[in-house]
Amino acid sequence: AQKITQTQPGMFVQEKEAVTLDCTYDTSDPSYGLFWYKQPSSGEMIFLIYQGSYDQQNATEGRYSLNFQKARKSANLVISASQLGDSAMYFCAMSRGNMLTFGGGTRLMVKP
Amino acid sequence: DTEVTQTPKHLVMGMTNKKSLKCEQHMGHRAMYWYKQKAKKPPELMFVYSYEKLSINESVPSRFSPECPNSSLLNLHLHALQPEDSALYLCASSQAPGQQETQYFGPGTRLLVL
Repeated sequence: AQKITQTQPGMFVQEKEAVTLDCTYDTSDPSYGLFWYKQPSSGEMIFLIYQGSYDQQNATEGRYSLNFQKARKSANLVISASQLGDSAMYFCAMSRGNMLTFGGGTRLMVKP
Repeated sequence: DTEVTQTPKHLVMGMTNKKSLKCEQHMGHRAMYWYKQKAKKPPELMFVYSYEKLSINESVPSRFSPECPNSSLLNLHLHALQPEDSALYLCASSQAPGQQETQYFGPGTRLLVL
């Protein structure tokens, strides 16, 4: 069975600073995908970044990067230069076939 | 364009009502999904449609009935719901079924069952 763990229920970061959101996973499958989504209070799940289990390089998308450490089974999200609009819930998710399993989420609050 | 639309945005219904949630995408995606999200919890998968056929039903009670009339539309028919069914219902789509495919979500329907 797959399991995704986000150990930080809530975090504060100062505007313009970088922040790392932790995600660890457990799976016996050799092939899987890892995703990060942002969910503002409006409810929509916004796709941020994807990492495949066979990808050699860490994924990057603008201010978002994924620190993928396969041996440690971790896929941490790094947000550089935090903005007030980054305040939201962030979910790490892992795919197996069609199915996405989500972690419990981390609420990020950016302080001005 | 990665837009998935959902209607209505909010819905209040009694336990004896019948209502439907609608989801639409025009990205040519061939897999569509329904998720249920309770407050302060992650989304939980309910149903998956692949090429307009139901491929996964996560043991959802029969008071929830999904329908995929065509490749762009996904409905969720609701009947005789319970107050504990109150939640945010999210629709998603992906280009094809498969674990390398990114799922794009709609804004959700907030459902309150009285």
